[in-house]
Amino acid sequence: QKEVEQNSGPLSVPEGAIASLNCTYSDRGSQSFFWYRQYSGKSPELIMSIYSNGDKEDGRFTAQLNKASQYVSLLIRDSQPSDSATYLCAVNSPHNFNKFYFGSGTKLNVKP
Amino acid sequence: DAGVIQSPRHEVTEMGQEVTLRCKPISGHDYLFWYRQTMMRGLELLIYFNNNVPIDDSGMPEDRFSAKMPNASFSTLKIQPSEPRDSAVYFCASSVYGQVNTGELFFGEGSRLTVL
Repeated sequence: QKEVEQNSGPLSVPEGAIASLNCTYSDRGSQSFFWYRQYSGKSPELIMSIYSNGDKEDGRFTAQLNKASQYVSLLIRDSQPSDSATYLCAVNSPHNFNKFYFGSGTKLNVKP
Repeated sequence: DAGVIQSPRHEVTEMGQEVTLRCKPISGHDYLFWYRQTMMRGLELLIYFNNNVPIDDSGMPEDRFSAKMPNASFSTLKIQPSEPRDSAVYFCASSVYGQVNTGELFFGEGSRLTVL
């Protein structure tokens, strides 16, 4: 079983809609959770981090964490074509907080 | 300050050849990570260094892979001999104590390796 699982997509949403990206993780001991955005041909960049159960909002982005279900999600409100990218979910290793496991990513297409 | 610099950006080589990928981290960063990204396996951590010392190399696939960090401003990832299954994008990332565990990794642009 992989440490982090994501649906590869593509997820297509119209401009202005809410995009919902989901991720599950296998190790209950993980404490830190991250979302990275990766444009085609580019390197990943951190967009959100979350450490506690519940929601964390940053502009149009909301990260949600449910440790009991081992589930992390990212909501993008008012989606824009510039949000079209692959979104990588990452969790830290409970044995080494400097070590991250990444999902394979969900490709998001926002159609004008 | 310049970001993480990787070279070469693209490398095409034949099976059995030696490949050396290079990375210059951001000045002042004391953590350096080597990742490999493929469609099948996603982004995988190969090895990371702290203060030039390898801390975790459990992701290095096999003995054909080796990594060094002779000083704070330079690291290499070597594959010898290379195989077609090594074809991937190799990313180097750096960070600093206090930011690593908050996910703030600064990635280079990657080195795309194709082994024929």
